[in-house]
Amino acid sequence: NAGVTQTPKFQVLKTGQSMTLQCAQDMNHNSMYWYRQDPGMGLRLIYYSASEGTTDKGEVPNGYNVSRLNKREFSLRLESAAPSQTSVYFCASRTDSPSAQHFGDGTRLSIL
Amino acid sequence: SQQGEEDPQALSIQEGENATMNCSYKTSINNLQWYRQNSGRGLVHLILIRSNEREKHSGRLRVTLDTSKKSSSLLITASRAADTASYFCATALTGGGNKLTFGTGTQLKVEL
Repeated sequence: NAGVTQTPKFQVLKTGQSMTLQCAQDMNHNSMYWYRQDPGMGLRLIYYSASEGTTDKGEVPNGYNVSRLNKREFSLRLESAAPSQTSVYFCASRTDSPSAQHFGDGTRLSIL
Repeated sequence: SQQGEEDPQALSIQEGENATMNCSYKTSINNLQWYRQNSGRGLVHLILIRSNEREKHSGRLRVTLDTSKKSSSLLITASRAADTASYFCATALTGGGNKLTFGTGTQLKVEL
């Protein structure tokens, strides 16, 4: 039972490079989320998708784009990476109604 | 901006002791959730308490919610070394849809 799978686990980029972070869930959840976690800041929501075919901005969307490819997959794209985007990125999913979010183990991204 | 603020930021106790963490938030909520994060891993859901509930138990966990004070507490009884982790509160805001807003976390260290 894989749950939420994120790839890659680690990545180093140069400023200006582009990259797509992948996320897939096998729990048939409708909602999916992308967060970033920085020291002392907790988790901040970048984008989310309440259902297949919809996406909405979160608290810190600038510099990112997302694609809800199908019900299972939700990708996060950095078009032109900046050092300020160095962070740990987490993907999560959940069912409808008040319920827990299920998290992947994160992608550790460093931008030089 | 952070909706939830945990207190204390760090807590060190001996195995067998109880650990109490507090969370304060700013606006009206539908529910409040607590998550645990082990080093290098994703967040794991512990417990959810709805706005019309005052107390909830799950194993060694006890959560209280005081909506008049906009605060919650998480009590871990008879702590174990395996409880060493960061603990985050997350609020589902009234009218906030499927989104959660996370606090900055409490780092708990349980020593043998």
